[in-house]
Amino acid sequence: ETGVTQSPTHLIKTRGQQVTLRCSSQSGHNTVSWYQQALGQGPQFIFQYYREEENGRGNFPPRFSGLQFPNYSSELNVNALELDDSALYLCASSPASSKTQYFGPGTRLLVL
Amino acid sequence: GIQVEQSPPDLILQEGANSTLRCNFSDSVNNLQWFHQNPWGQLINLFYIPSGTKQNGRLSATTVATERYSLLYISSSQTTDSGVYFCAVDSGGSNYKLTFGKGTLLTVNP
Repeated sequence: ETGVTQSPTHLIKTRGQQVTLRCSSQSGHNTVSWYQQALGQGPQFIFQYYREEENGRGNFPPRFSGLQFPNYSSELNVNALELDDSALYLCASSPASSKTQYFGPGTRLLVL
Repeated sequence: GIQVEQSPPDLILQEGANSTLRCNFSDSVNNLQWFHQNPWGQLINLFYIPSGTKQNGRLSATTVATERYSLLYISSSQTTDSGVYFCAVDSGGSNYKLTFGKGTLLTVNP
């Protein structure tokens, strides 16, 4: 069903480091959203990009930032990593004609 | 912001049994989706159902938007149905921000 891909699948970083996670949206989808899922919780909305512009943000600090590229791929950057940033990071894309979001397989980030 | 409550939090079934999962939400919604999260973390779309009833094989869902709840029915459950089921809603606005419930952990035993 989903053509959304994410890389890397797993990542280990140490506190204070910076990380970049990548997402390739499903073909024809111009909206991408990022979510953080802590262990045992539902995903939490980080932010959304539409046509390369940020289009809404959840309750996350500015050290969480993103980019969307002309080909609709996307990056999530996290600076000054903290232990609590350890989570599954999910990317979701939506086509222009629908509100349905399609999720990628996620990147598991462990901060030591 | 909108609140989403799912029940029950945990459910254990024998293979072949039927089950009903519930999602209550605190405000009107433009979008409601049900997902199944497999053991590897992948969120699989089950239904996009802001209102009405839909069926897909052994699964069906009903959303009563005026009463702010949705139900997911699983019939003749199989061990492969095990995992966490999430309800997520979008209350509108300029972006399609999904607010998720805490999920229902379903375990289907052989």
